[in-house]
Amino acid sequence: QKEVEQDPGPLSVPEGAIVSLNCTYSNSAFQYFMWYRQYSRKGPELLMYTYSSGNKEDGRFTAQVDKSSKYISLFIRDSQPSDSATYLCAMSLGYSSASKIIFGSGTRLSIRP
Amino acid sequence: NAGVTQTPKFRVLKTGQSMTLLCAQDMNHEYMYWYRQDPGMGLRLIHYSVGEGTTAKGEVPDGYNVSRLKKQNFLLGLESAAPSQTSVYFCASRRDRGDTEAFFGQGTRLTVV
Repeated sequence: QKEVEQDPGPLSVPEGAIVSLNCTYSNSAFQYFMWYRQYSRKGPELLMYTYSSGNKEDGRFTAQVDKSSKYISLFIRDSQPSDSATYLCAMSLGYSSASKIIFGSGTRLSIRP
Repeated sequence: NAGVTQTPKFRVLKTGQSMTLLCAQDMNHEYMYWYRQDPGMGLRLIHYSVGEGTTAKGEVPDGYNVSRLKKQNFLLGLESAAPSQTSVYFCASRRDRGDTEAFFGQGTRLTVV
């Protein structure tokens, strides 16, 4: 079983829709939870990160972490064609041993104009 | 402000040939990583380094070697390339263990025929 599971999609939604992207994980020691966005033929870029449980909002993006269920989500409101990309969830351990970052397989998202 | 630079960007190798991928970062980061990205597999960690002169194995280290002789450079070597090593390789760096953001290079597309 992989440490981090993510539905690969592809996911296609109309412009303006709310998008929900999700990951599950098996290692309860993960403390940092991140979402990276990767445009075609580019390297991933950090979109949002959350420490431990809770919600974090940044503009149209909201990240949620539910450690009891080992489940994280990324919501995109008022989706735009420019949001079309692959979204990768990522996780790492706490501060004392946070050397490795483990990624999900990525979800390819397409926003239709 | 170059960030993380990977060399080369593209390469075609014959089975059995060797090559070295170079990653250079100008942000004085301690941690550096090599990932490979294959369709449906996400980013898988090959090797990583937590400082100059150190290296450690990731999830898929077989067939690869690495060196970190200088803090700014992290080299990934393929001693005898195999078709299974056809992939897109990404290098990343981050400041330290408490810093969640990893900065990625643009990737190296390697084809082994």
